[in-house]
Amino acid sequence: DIVMTQSPDSLVVSLGERATINCKSTQSLLYDSNNKNYLAWYQQKPGQPPKVLIYWASAREIGVPDRFRGSGSGTDFTLTISSLQAEDEAVYYCQQYYTTPSTFGQGTKVEI
Amino acid sequence: QEELQQWGAGLLKPSETLSLTCAVIGGSSSAYYWTWIRQSPGKGLEWIGQIYHSENNNYNPSLKSRVSISMDTSKNQISLELRSVTAADTAVYYCARAGMGATRDTWFDPWGQGTLVTVST
Repeated sequence: DIVMTQSPDSLVVSLGERATINCKSTQSLLYDSNNKNYLAWYQQKPGQPPKVLIYWASAREIGVPDRFRGSGSGTDFTLTISSLQAEDEAVYYCQQYYTTPSTFGQGTKVEI
Repeated sequence: QEELQQWGAGLLKPSETLSLTCAVIGGSSSAYYWTWIRQSPGKGLEWIGQIYHSENNNYNPSLKSRVSISMDTSKNQISLELRSVTAADTAVYYCARAGMGATRDTWFDPWGQGTLVTVST
């Protein structure tokens, strides 16, 4: 299985400041035939299921604010929240869908 | 946007069978891959398996010997069975749809509300 490792496990960020979450995979998630990275980012708030923010490593889901940005390629990826808002306090997960079984990172808790 | 509503027994004894059902509201179950995922404090988010068109299944090798996923397209429902449960199977179980239609390798969207299943004597 592909192992996804996120860093840090948690971070505290002031309102309006930038939050950066990293995700590393044990093998490349870049599919050569279509030049796409098979990686998604989710946000999960207490008592709720995860909600997809980003797919194809950098494509923002409809309705997701543009302060959320995904970047990276191959084995190293980043989720950046450019100006943290109170409602962004949550746990964030990366997920690889390059191969079955799909696997997730352990999560990064973002606190204000 | 379609909605997923799930239900099933929340408290099981060791060796019993976990059974959960997920109903697709406002959409068709036949057009997508459907997945079960569980979340526990110890193992985080774990992909259990998926189904497409009632007969195309893929399971996590770590659970394959104990799990079955089925679909009833007439009822727009997807079901999960996990046999011989132990305390290690205690988790919140989610059903989810493939985010990219009839594609096996994809993100997941939307998700059901989750069902907490506790295995305890």
